[in-house]
Amino acid sequence: DAKTTQPTSMDCAEGRAANLPCNHSTISGNEYVYWYRQIHSQGPQYIIHGLKNNETNEMASLIITEDRKSSTLILPHATLRDTAVYYCIATKQYGNKLVFGAGTILRVKS
Amino acid sequence: EAGVAQSPRYKIIEKRQSVAFWCNPISGHATLYWYQQILGQGPKLLIQFQNNGVVDDSQLPKDRFSAERLKGVDSTLKIQPAKLEDSAVYLCASSFRGITEAFFGQGTRLTVV
Repeated sequence: DAKTTQPTSMDCAEGRAANLPCNHSTISGNEYVYWYRQIHSQGPQYIIHGLKNNETNEMASLIITEDRKSSTLILPHATLRDTAVYYCIATKQYGNKLVFGAGTILRVKS
Repeated sequence: EAGVAQSPRYKIIEKRQSVAFWCNPISGHATLYWYQQILGQGPKLLIQFQNNGVVDDSQLPKDRFSAERLKGVDSTLKIQPAKLEDSAVYLCASSFRGITEAFFGQGTRLTVV
């Protein structure tokens, strides 16, 4: 799996967009970018994943740069409930281990 | 759709005692994972099953930890004997045929005193 680098922590004002960056400069062509988050005292929750095209679902948008060396997870209107640790993982879609790093602590403040 | 079920939610034991955790994955999910999460760290994969076969257990401390998945459904993780450093949350997750969109249970918080 490609190594990913994320900031340790970020703050965001409630109602504003939260943009969480992830660097994965050694990603290989068949590795996807996955995002999970972990709210306090809960198990991680899948958010979104993508290969090279931008993706959007009901939770978030994922923007992957054209060279695929970095990506940004966007929460368009952050709420207090979005306060969590966000993990960026680069891995193959099938049969690989799901390996978590330290992630980014996102604090949404009112 | 029912989620991943784990029990117990909390467990306190003395060092050198044994403990077991149980996981019931989402119906139809062939891949099952056990993770250990120490306070302040990301989850660490202990073992991954595909049906009832082990895919990866490279980070499982096999001198004290064991896991099984009988009939490719439920799974148990055992620690025997426990050490103080085993205090952590133990998370079970499952996914459909190894696709890495895993669903996690609430976890079992183990405290070893």
